Amino acid sequence: GAGVSQSPSNKVTEKGKDVELRCDPISGHTALYWYRQSLGQGLEFLIYFQGNSAPDKSGLPSDRFSAERTGGSVSTLTIQRTQQEDSAVYLCASSFNRGTGELFFGEGSRLTVL
Amino acid sequence: KNEVEQSPQNLTAQEGEFITINCSYSVGISALHWLQQHPGGGIVSLFMLSSGKKKHGRLIATINIQEKHSSLHITASHPRDSAVYICAVSRGGATNKLIFGTGTLLAVQP
Repeated sequence: GAGVSQSPSNKVTEKGKDVELRCDPISGHTALYWYRQSLGQGLEFLIYFQGNSAPDKSGLPSDRFSAERTGGSVSTLTIQRTQQEDSAVYLCASSFNRGTGELFFGEGSRLTVL
Repeated sequence: KNEVEQSPQNLTAQEGEFITINCSYSVGISALHWLQQHPGGGIVSLFMLSSGKKKHGRLIATINIQEKHSSLHITASHPRDSAVYICAVSRGGATNKLIFGTGTLLAVQP
């Protein structure tokens, strides 16, 4: 597609269940970021992938969060044993060049943990 | 103290007014981004700057690397400009996570 695609757009789950969020970046973009935005809060960095380099996972809030990027393209963010405080909009962005490329954001995946 | 500070946090303007939003940062950067987020909407990149000035339509962004400061200007503001404007900086180097400001909520009244 022409833009960054995220799915699902909305996910409601019960506390304790696992969820997977998907991001399909713009073709050819080597940099991919995951952020989250809790209600009324600013953007919080989660993880950053650049090409084949080891990802920067320094923003992941706990070991319940993990992410992978297969073949340098599609990325999946997995949250295990979800908690209510995980409720947020999870945003994915990609760029062509590390750091100095324009960012393109997906529409986000809104996660609600009941 | 946050590494990226924006001011003001909230701004209300009348249609047609000239608007300035400021961003100051305290770290070395490779680039600075201005982003726009409409209520309930996605995030759109407005500008990516590493020096000087850029202009898109009624929007102008400037950056002063020595002073570690950037401004976003909106000329002839319109109610459709109402949104949250976010400044973010790229640290560059091996760790390239973006550092975000807390955003400026702009409301332009007709």
